Amino acid sequence: GENVEQHPSTLSVQEGDSAVIKCTYSDSASNYFPWYKQELGKRPQLIIDIRSNVGEKKDQRIAVTLNKTAKHFSLHITETQPEDSAVYFCAALAQAGTALIFGKGTTLSVSS
Amino acid sequence: GAVVSQHPSWVICKSGTSVKIECRSLDFQATTMFWYRQFPKQSLMLMATSNEGSKATYEQGVEKDKFLINHASLTLSTLTVTSAHPEDSSFYICSASDGEQYFGPGTRLTVT
Repeated sequence: GENVEQHPSTLSVQEGDSAVIKCTYSDSASNYFPWYKQELGKRPQLIIDIRSNVGEKKDQRIAVTLNKTAKHFSLHITETQPEDSAVYFCAALAQAGTALIFGKGTTLSVSS
Repeated sequence: GAVVSQHPSWVICKSGTSVKIECRSLDFQATTMFWYRQFPKQSLMLMATSNEGSKATYEQGVEKDKFLINHASLTLSTLTVTSAHPEDSSFYICSASDGEQYFGPGTRLTVT
């Protein structure tokens, strides 16, 4: 089955800096890669996603890149703000109707 | 967007008792629902996949006789934790899929 590795487990940046979180996946059939932000005690919130027919997607300060050949994808947050502090999870989906498989998460801390 | 509800949002029960958690898709029909468990400071771990009208498929290491899943309709799946023990204390999150996946708000279970 699918296995998703996520790095780093913790990331501390200064406000205004960029943050990058990287994930690799094992199942070459995976074709959907969402990123979630989870605040303490709350459900994961989808912040951006990318499908395998696209190499990059951007939404304001957030971007995701996908390298299908290397089977890795990354989340890029620019101009970080304290409210970006949370746990971020990457996930991979092999096909519609199957479960998302999550990485172990990255705790991002943005200090002002 | 699609809305998924869970009930209860939190529950405290005594060791040895059973607890039922409901997951409902409010404005769409979910062909598949997934149950995840999240321990503190850990990722979401898939417990089981539930398809309406058929038996759930459990992930390795998840006891199907302990975590009973019923998916009686296209809008409702229930997870019953039987003979709960303190180590079952966790955040249980469902997701419902109509192709896309939508997460419920989660249920925090504390077993005393």
